[in-house]
Amino acid sequence: DQQVKQNSPSLSVQEGRISILNCDYTNSMFDYFLWYKKYPAEGPTFLISISSIKDKNEDGRFTVFLNKSAKHLSLHIVPSQPGDSAVYFCAASAFRETSGSRLTFGEGTQLTVNP
Amino acid sequence: NAGVMQNPRHLVRRRGQEARLRCSPMKGHSHVYWYRQLPEEGLKFMVYLQKENIIDESGMPKERFSAEFPKEGPSILRIQQVVRGDSAAYFCASSSYYEQYFGPGTRLTVT
Repeated sequence: DQQVKQNSPSLSVQEGRISILNCDYTNSMFDYFLWYKKYPAEGPTFLISISSIKDKNEDGRFTVFLNKSAKHLSLHIVPSQPGDSAVYFCAASAFRETSGSRLTFGEGTQLTVNP
Repeated sequence: NAGVMQNPRHLVRRRGQEARLRCSPMKGHSHVYWYRQLPEEGLKFMVYLQKENIIDESGMPKERFSAEFPKEGPSILRIQQVVRGDSAAYFCASSSYYEQYFGPGTRLTVT
């Protein structure tokens, strides 16, 4: 079963506008959420994370929002830049001694920022 | 460069051969995770290791796949008797707690 879902395979925005990427999860045991950016032929790059005790975390142009009751999180990028064009993965974890912080990933959203 | 290192970056094997993928974690990190990304899919967890211990291998196929993280040296993911379906990108990540940092991956092609 897909415990983390990114329902939009692709998103296209204009440079300077806001990009909003969405992610839904089903496992209520998840207590930490992360966003990664991935370029072709490279490994995922960590962007930003949020603990389940918070509902917002901000780092520069990137803000992650968490709605626990809806089991939904989103990543906002403002302003969007052409260099942001990449695949964005949402990931979730629940730290356990027996499994560490293994990540469950969504399928990814291809963001394209047009100049 | 203190990042996660993986080698080789590209590996071509014929069906039935063995593939060995190596991962050196970030300095100071003692947790290593291996993930696999099949074409057009997200990353899927395979195995979690600490030094000399396999903690969780629930994501790894039961046959042909094994992993180790010895006291000295890199973590190794070993695939015996490779088949075409093993063709994928294999990523290693290391962490000290929650956030995981990924290596560049090894792209395995089985011909």
